[in-house]
Amino acid sequence: TQLLEQSPQFLSIQEGENLTVYCNSSSVFSSLQWYRQEPGEGPVLLVTVVTGGEVKKLKRLTFQFGDARKDSSLHITAAQPGDTGLYLCAGVPGNTGKLIFGQGTTLQVKP
Amino acid sequence: GAVVSQHPSRVICKSGTSVKIECRSLDFQATTMFWYRQFPKKSLMLMATSNEGSKATYEQGVEKDKFLINHASLTLSTLTVTSAHPEDSSFYICSASRDGTGNQPQHFGDGTRLSIL
Repeated sequence: TQLLEQSPQFLSIQEGENLTVYCNSSSVFSSLQWYRQEPGEGPVLLVTVVTGGEVKKLKRLTFQFGDARKDSSLHITAAQPGDTGLYLCAGVPGNTGKLIFGQGTTLQVKP
Repeated sequence: GAVVSQHPSRVICKSGTSVKIECRSLDFQATTMFWYRQFPKKSLMLMATSNEGSKATYEQGVEKDKFLINHASLTLSTLTVTSAHPEDSSFYICSASRDGTGNQPQHFGDGTRLSIL
């Protein structure tokens, strides 16, 4: 079974602080995706990383894929209350087509 | 593009009844659709993978007779929770993909909140 370990699972910070969420596995993934989910809604794709060592930026969000394609991180700079939500990493092992999700990180940004 | 509609968004019913949830890809053809279950403040757990015109593949521990999946067309998959009980209460989410290899992204519906009394 391919597992994605996501940490931390809960994070409560003040507006303006920086944070990093990690997603680790002992297995290689052909790609990793990051989602954000609001309560009562489906997850919304933020980014897909495919190449080992790849770095992608989305405004204040920076995503990195590990060189060995076993881990990824999401860094948020100067967090805002609007960033509050559940962040999920998910990977596609091999060409199975299945998305394996990490445990999720519940982020609360206080004003 | 790539919109997935899930219906109903919320359903409350009595124990023992069966509930059908629909997942539609509105602007693309979905060869493969996936069904997930999510508990409060937890991640998504894959229940089954359905391919158009063939039987669904269930993940380990998921009762196929309890959760009936039909993928009769390239735009519609249904999940029927049969003889539902309170422990089946959960948030069910579907996703649709143009293919099942992982080369095409999955597009998620907005989920169905199922509450069994």
